[in-house]
Parts: sequence; structure tokens; C-alpha cells
Amino acid sequence: DVKVTQSSRYLVKRTGEKVFLECVQDMDHENMFWYRQDPGLGLRLIYFSYDVKMKEKGDIPEGYSVSREKKERFSLILESASTNQTSMYLCASSSPGGGNGELFFGEGSRLTVL
Amino acid sequence: GEDVEQSLFLSVREGDSSVINCTYTDSSSTYLYWYKQEPGAGLQLLTYIFSNMDMKQDQRLTVLLNKKDKHLSLRIADTQTGDSAIYFCAERGDESNTGKLIFGQGTTLQVKP
Repeated sequence: DVKVTQSSRYLVKRTGEKVFLECVQDMDHENMFWYRQDPGLGLRLIYFSYDVKMKEKGDIPEGYSVSREKKERFSLILESASTNQTSMYLCASSSPGGGNGELFFGEGSRLTVL
Repeated sequence: GEDVEQSLFLSVREGDSSVINCTYTDSSSTYLYWYKQEPGAGLQLLTYIFSNMDMKQDQRLTVLLNKKDKHLSLRIADTQTGDSAIYFCAERGDESNTGKLIFGQGTTLQVKP
């Protein structure tokens, strides 16, 4: 069964803390994505990566960074968490070329910043 | 830039048909998708349609695509309480292998018994 696993389902952090959100996929996909989900705003793309050590900014990259040292792992980093980063974070992966371009999603990480 | 719009809420009675609508702006979209998100879970692909198609049917689901008006709809026949979820419309532009999708705001479908 194909899988995207996000390490933490729920996190509570304090303002100013550094936060790591980890995502691992077992499908050998080249593309990986971090989206943020907020009610009424849908999913907004933060960063994506199409290869190891490659990254591209999405629509809302401010306040975030990413790391992709291995093909299967894509990390989202909040250098100094702020209350407006309280949200649901969704990781996804896909394979480029062929097929229907489907994104496979993890279960999400709900982050609360106090 | 590219944009995808959906209404936020739809309420139907069990057994009725549900129709969820979506509009998009990118005329170069290659694929359009419907994803379903159940409470506390990630998104799962429900169905998709290629841009050269007008309609796709899959059991209780019917997808209609009007490219001229850039309008996509999802019809769920005989809606059940288990269909209660958030439904996201998404489009993939012609950006080759970036693979990124643009999502709408999500429509919460409430099915009343």
C-alpha cells in the first residue's frame, strides 16, 4: 500500500520556537510538496521539490524553509514559529511525467503555536 | 495567476443528488481533479478528468467539464451519510513535471439523514 507518512499528527509549540515537520514517502516519487490548509482558504502551496537537494518556492514561502537530503524525505522548517502559522500542514508526493499527475497525501500535521 | 474557486458549503438529504461546482482560470489546465477529505484525514483522490473530455462517470460519481466556461462539477448520486466530507477541486497547469496542483477552497458537504 502506497504511503506518505507525516511524523507528527499534532504539535503544540511556543512563539519563537524552531519547528520541524517531517514527511516520508515510500513510492520512490521525485516530486514532494508541502501545503498549508486553512478553513475557507483551501490548500496553499508552501514549497515543493522535484529532486534531492532541489527546492522551489510555492505561493506562501515566507517564514518557512525546507530540506530534501534524501529522495524519500522532505522536511518543513519553521525557523521561529509565530501564532499565524497555526494551521494544518499537508505533505504530498507525486511522480513526474506519465499517469494522471495524482498527488498522494499524508494524514496531516496540525500545528498550534501559542 | 491561476485560481480555483468553490462554494464553501452544501447541505443535502440522504438519497438526494449532490452537485459541487468549481471554476478555474488557467485555460492550459491538462488535468482537473476532485479530492475528498474525511474528518481528521489527508486528501484522497476521488476522480479526475483529462482536459479533452467533457464528462466522466464512475459509479455514483459524474464529472462534467465545460472548458469554454472553465467550469467543473462533481455530481454524487444517491448521496449517503458516508459522503459527508470536504471536497476539493484542483487543476494542473501545463507546467510539465513540476506536478504542482492548484486547489480550491474546499466545499463541505453535509448529508442529513
